[in-house]
Amino acid sequence: DAMVIQNPRYQVTQFGKPVTLSCSQTLNHNVMYWYQQKSSQAPKLLFHYYDKDFNNEADTPDNFQSRRPNTSFCFLDIRSPGLGDAAMYLCATSPGRADNEQFFGPGTRLTVL
Amino acid sequence: GQNIDQPTEMTATEGAIVQINCTYQTSGFNGLFWYQQHAGEAPTFLSYNVLDGLEEKGRFSSFLSRSKGYSYLLLKELQMKDSASYLCAVRDGIGSGGSYIPTFGRGTSLIVHP
Repeated sequence: DAMVIQNPRYQVTQFGKPVTLSCSQTLNHNVMYWYQQKSSQAPKLLFHYYDKDFNNEADTPDNFQSRRPNTSFCFLDIRSPGLGDAAMYLCATSPGRADNEQFFGPGTRLTVL
Repeated sequence: GQNIDQPTEMTATEGAIVQINCTYQTSGFNGLFWYQQHAGEAPTFLSYNVLDGLEEKGRFSSFLSRSKGYSYLLLKELQMKDSASYLCAVRDGIGSGGSYIPTFGRGTSLIVHP
């Protein structure tokens, strides 16, 4: 089945130790998104790619970086995780701009010790 | 920017009907979305409204009034598996001055009990 895959599902890291979360998709969608969602809060958009065009949200901390080496894969790098970065990180895709549905992966739950 | 407001929590009985409201304030408007999110899982798409009126899809219906900045999600014949968070998301525009990416509300946690 075509889908959005995130690895790992659970990630534990230490304060200040860099971590990379990965997302892959078999949907061949042009747009990929990274969201951060803390408990009982709305998903907050960090970045999105329209094809290779990278778009950073104005309030995304510099500590967060992203890479999209090809259509299928997208990575979220957290350079120096702090306790406040503990959250669920959701990857999503959509076929193009302004499509009416986003397809979400299962998420990676990040714990920072 | 957008301001999206939903109740934090609702409870309902299995077999009943529940209405989850969402109000929003945006500089422009180009669609309202409802997503379902079970605890610890990803959101899944339920509905999209861009014109006023009711969209029905099985047990779930979604209503929009653009002039009032108001939507609701109606769930009929509630089942235990409907216990989840329901997220309202609004897209404020496409093109200059607007984003094609929806902004999510905090979600309404629905608890269905026997």
